[in-house]
Amino acid sequence: QKEVEQNSGPLSVPEGAIASLNCTYSDRGSQSFFWYRQYSGKSPELIMSIYSNGDKEDGRFTAQLNKASQYVSLLIRDSQPSDSATYLCAFYSGGYQKVTFGTGTKLQVIP
Amino acid sequence: DTGVSQNPRHKITKRGQNVTFRCDPISEHNRLYWYRQTLGQGPEFLTYFQNEAQLEKSRLLSDRFSAERPKGSFSTLEIQRTEQGDSAMYLCASSRTGPGDRSTEAFFGQGTRLTVV
Repeated sequence: QKEVEQNSGPLSVPEGAIASLNCTYSDRGSQSFFWYRQYSGKSPELIMSIYSNGDKEDGRFTAQLNKASQYVSLLIRDSQPSDSATYLCAFYSGGYQKVTFGTGTKLQVIP
Repeated sequence: DTGVSQNPRHKITKRGQNVTFRCDPISEHNRLYWYRQTLGQGPEFLTYFQNEAQLEKSRLLSDRFSAERPKGSFSTLEIQRTEQGDSAMYLCASSRTGPGDRSTEAFFGQGTRLTVV
């Protein structure tokens, strides 16, 4: 079982719609969860961090964490063409003391 | 300011040559990570430092790869006898340590793109 699983996509949504990105992880010792955005040819940019169960909102972004189900998601409201990128799910495990990444989901927002 | 800085941004080398990359972390960050990323994949962990101590090295990493962080500030990653399979983006990230969840947040530099011909 992979440590972090994401659907590689591409996920296509029309402009203005809600994009929903999902991620599951295997390490129950994980304590911090992150979403990074990566544009083609660029390095990952941290956009959301979440540490406790529930929802965390920041502007158009909402991260959702369910530790019992080992599941984390990212919702992007009012999607814009500029949101088209690959979104990487990652977690920090206190046991391993490192950040582990999924392979990313490619999002395409269609104008 | 100063985010994470990596040099060079691009490197083209012939197979068999040695290459060295440099990473300057955010100044107050004492944890530094190296990752490698190939097309269509997420960043793959290579190694990390806490101050000057190298605390973990990926088992996938061959002995041609070595990293240092001599004074707990900048770090170098050296690849000896490069192979075509080493072509990738090499990413450096840093984070601070200490109490609080946000100490686990890692911030990336712009990466060094290596092409081995």
